[in-house]
Amino acid sequence: GAVVSQHPSRVICKSGTSVKIECRSLDFQATTMFWYRQFPKQSLMLMATSNEGSKATYEQGVEKDKFLINHASLTLSTLTVTSAHPEDSSFYICSARDVTGQGDTEAFFGQGTRLTVV
Amino acid sequence: LAKTTQPISMDSYEGQEVNITCSHNNIATNDYITWYQQFPSQGPRFIIQGYKTKVTNEVASLFIPADRKSSTLSLPRVSLSDTAVYYCLVGATIYNQGGKLIFGQGTELSVKP
Repeated sequence: GAVVSQHPSRVICKSGTSVKIECRSLDFQATTMFWYRQFPKQSLMLMATSNEGSKATYEQGVEKDKFLINHASLTLSTLTVTSAHPEDSSFYICSARDVTGQGDTEAFFGQGTRLTVV
Repeated sequence: LAKTTQPISMDSYEGQEVNITCSHNNIATNDYITWYQQFPSQGPRFIIQGYKTKVTNEVASLFIPADRKSSTLSLPRVSLSDTAVYYCLVGATIYNQGGKLIFGQGTELSVKP
């Protein structure tokens, strides 16, 4: 089946630095990718929708200047957490779907990135 | 997007059949019903998807009544490894909201020996 690879799986950074998380679709072209954040014991919260070749669409309440999303190719989207602070520590998950075809398709999720800001 | 309501948690024992019901009273005509499973510190994994009646695969069955206002995920003969959070999503179709998936609270299933 289709695979979405996320890297790194775990990262620790110092407060004030930036961290980049990569999301790759390995065997299909993902015209659309999604970024989620999940705090302990909570559900996934959609942060933004990333469309190849265009600006990402952010959900209400998500700071676009803090969470920079780039979807430069059909197989790669990146999320950069800029000037990270301890409250940004969370589990970040990406998802990819090919929304260009006919009919419905399932969404494939990466394995997630555990970000810890110290 | 249709809002979903699921039990927050459920307990079961190994070998039992588990049924998790999800309510989605405002489901739209084009909406599909999709269930995902999530283990701790992992991304969600697709289990099953349906539009109406019954769908079965090697992992689970999905029962959807005629009015489609609810759905039931059935896991036959659960094992300890089925302990996870199960999410019911509605509207996960490419024709709705650009294909984005909105997760509800999920059901935390605990399987005991």
